[in-house]
Amino acid sequence: KQEVTQIPAALSVPEGENLVLNCSFTDSAIYNLQWFRQDPGKGLTSLLLIQSSQREQTSGRLNASLDKSSGRSTLYIAASQPGDSATYLCAVRLTGGFKTIFGAGTRLFVKA
Amino acid sequence: DGGITQSPKYLFRKEGQNVTLSCEQNLNHDAMYWYRQDPGQGLRLIYYSQIVNDFQKGDIAEGYSVSREKKESFPLTVTSAQKNPTAFYLCASSMISGQVPEAFFGQGTRLTVV
Repeated sequence: KQEVTQIPAALSVPEGENLVLNCSFTDSAIYNLQWFRQDPGKGLTSLLLIQSSQREQTSGRLNASLDKSSGRSTLYIAASQPGDSATYLCAVRLTGGFKTIFGAGTRLFVKA
Repeated sequence: DGGITQSPKYLFRKEGQNVTLSCEQNLNHDAMYWYRQDPGQGLRLIYYSQIVNDFQKGDIAEGYSVSREKKESFPLTVTSAQKNPTAFYLCASSMISGQVPEAFFGQGTRLTVV
């Protein structure tokens, strides 16, 4: 059974710091991995999607990597800003179907 | 603007009452999903549908029902059989295949039992 774990559960950093959020999954047979941002009481906004054949994706200050063999993905945020404060979730879409398994998220707080 | 619309944003349910959450998308996506989110937990899949008039149970389908009569719509009914329905409900959609496999989410409905 696929399980997705995100560490740490919460993170507080000063503005301007570079940071890494971690996501691990137990089964490497994935179709893709997606990182989302969720603001309090809101839906999920897609940040980056990495196909199983890819190693990384970049968008602005965000870079996501994928290492299927070790069952890990990281989301790197450069030069963090208070506006980056939110919960970040990773989600793994399984092969052979349409189910997506979510991690519990990392709550990020960037202090001004 | 293309997107997913969930309504209402807030919903209150009395004990023993059935309530229906609406989800509409204009992205021409084939697949639609309902998730439940509880504090400190990841999203859990309730139901999903790949095509009109067909849907499958997710991991926590008990006490819920869905229909998919139109491609654009995937309403979720929370029945009286769901004993702990207070949660944040999220609807999502995605293409089944192709170059845009990412999932898009609505803004959610917060359901509270009163």
